[in-house]
Amino acid sequence: DAKTTQPPSMDCAEGRAANLPCNHSTISGNEYVYWYRQIHSQGPQYIIHGLKNNETNEMASLIITEDRKSSTLILPHATLRDTAVYYCIVLDNNNDMRFGAGTRLTVKP
Amino acid sequence: GAVVSQHPSRVICKSGTSVKIECRSLDFQATTMFWYRQFPKQSLMLMATSNEGSKATYEQGVEKDKFLINHASLTLSTLTVTSAHPEDSSFYICSARPAADTQYFGPGTRLTVL
Repeated sequence: DAKTTQPPSMDCAEGRAANLPCNHSTISGNEYVYWYRQIHSQGPQYIIHGLKNNETNEMASLIITEDRKSSTLILPHATLRDTAVYYCIVLDNNNDMRFGAGTRLTVKP
Repeated sequence: GAVVSQHPSRVICKSGTSVKIECRSLDFQATTMFWYRQFPKQSLMLMATSNEGSKATYEQGVEKDKFLINHASLTLSTLTVTSAHPEDSSFYICSARPAADTQYFGPGTRLTVL
């Protein structure tokens, strides 16, 4: 079972920031938070991951709360191509990556 | 970097035949490879984990004699669906992980069993 919870769906206006929340209240001190997205009929695409500090790359920013029980993925200027299912993942006890239902983000013109 | 390929991307076969799907890490060596299955409108489900040169570890409910996994090298893993039936029709996705690093996913293989 996934160790994270995410809202099932969100909408965002094109050009605006998309902020996708994730709760991982049972995360332990050395577990990373990973974010992937899956565009229809494709394999998941890696976006970003972090441990405790905020992270930024060319795709997105990851904000992790100080207690590490939740995080937010930020797409600073969403485009129509960002429409996808976004998965927030914490590895299980065997270091396996298990997917929950994710958040279906729809970017609207 | 970190590209994972799968072949074929799409396959249609008759019931009772076997189908082999290849997964390759193109620009890195993968200590561990994973196979997932995804049914329509559902999330990815982990089927098995394999380490190079070792037997695969299957998830509960996944038949190891039906889904044969071979991880013969650090860049190649194969999944063979034996005696495929229509209920095996699904989107099969592999991923590869360099040692102590994040996982990279292939583009998926859509299997349709008639």
